[in-house]
Amino acid sequence: KQEVTQIPAALSVPEGENLVLNCSFTDSAIYNLQWFRQDPGKGLTSLLLIQSSQREQTSGRLNASLDKSSGRSTLYIAASQPGDSATYLCAVGAGKSTFGDGTTLTVKP
Amino acid sequence: GAGVSQSPSNKVTEKGKDVELRCDPISGHTALYWYRQSLGQGLEFLIYFQGNSAPDKSGLPSDRFSAERTGGSVSTLTIQRTQQEDSAVYLCASSSDPPYEQYFGPGTRLTVT
Repeated sequence: KQEVTQIPAALSVPEGENLVLNCSFTDSAIYNLQWFRQDPGKGLTSLLLIQSSQREQTSGRLNASLDKSSGRSTLYIAASQPGDSATYLCAVGAGKSTFGDGTTLTVKP
Repeated sequence: GAGVSQSPSNKVTEKGKDVELRCDPISGHTALYWYRQSLGQGLEFLIYFQGNSAPDKSGLPSDRFSAERTGGSVSTLTIQRTQQEDSAVYLCASSSDPPYEQYFGPGTRLTVT
């Protein structure tokens, strides 16, 4: 059974800092890995998707990496802004996806 | 184009009543997913459809839960004889063919009193 863990559960940083969120999974036979953000009371917004054959994806200030062999993915956020404050979730698999519990990020002005 | 839509956005029902939740996926998306997010909990997979077929129903919590999809488009999630523990936000997502990037709707907040 696939298990997904996200560490830390919560993170608070001052504006402008670069930061890394971590996602680990137990079964390396994954199809893809997707990062989302969730604002309070809202649905999930897709940030980046990495296919199993890829090592990383970039979108603006975001960079996600994937190391299947070690069962890990990281989401790097450069020059953080207060608007980045949200819960960040990673999910592995296509079809029956397994989600982590998320990292709640607070960026202080 | 339009994103995933869900209705109603909020539903309050009495224990024991049946409820139907609706999901309209992005046009052309072949796969559709239902998840549940309870207060302070992570996302719990319920079921997914490929076309009108549901290859994996293992996440449905009990036989009170059922889902269908018609015409490869709209899906309904039905909960019969609702219980207080069914209170949660029910999220729907859809994706196109590989790599199956999922796009989520805003959710339906269900409260069972």
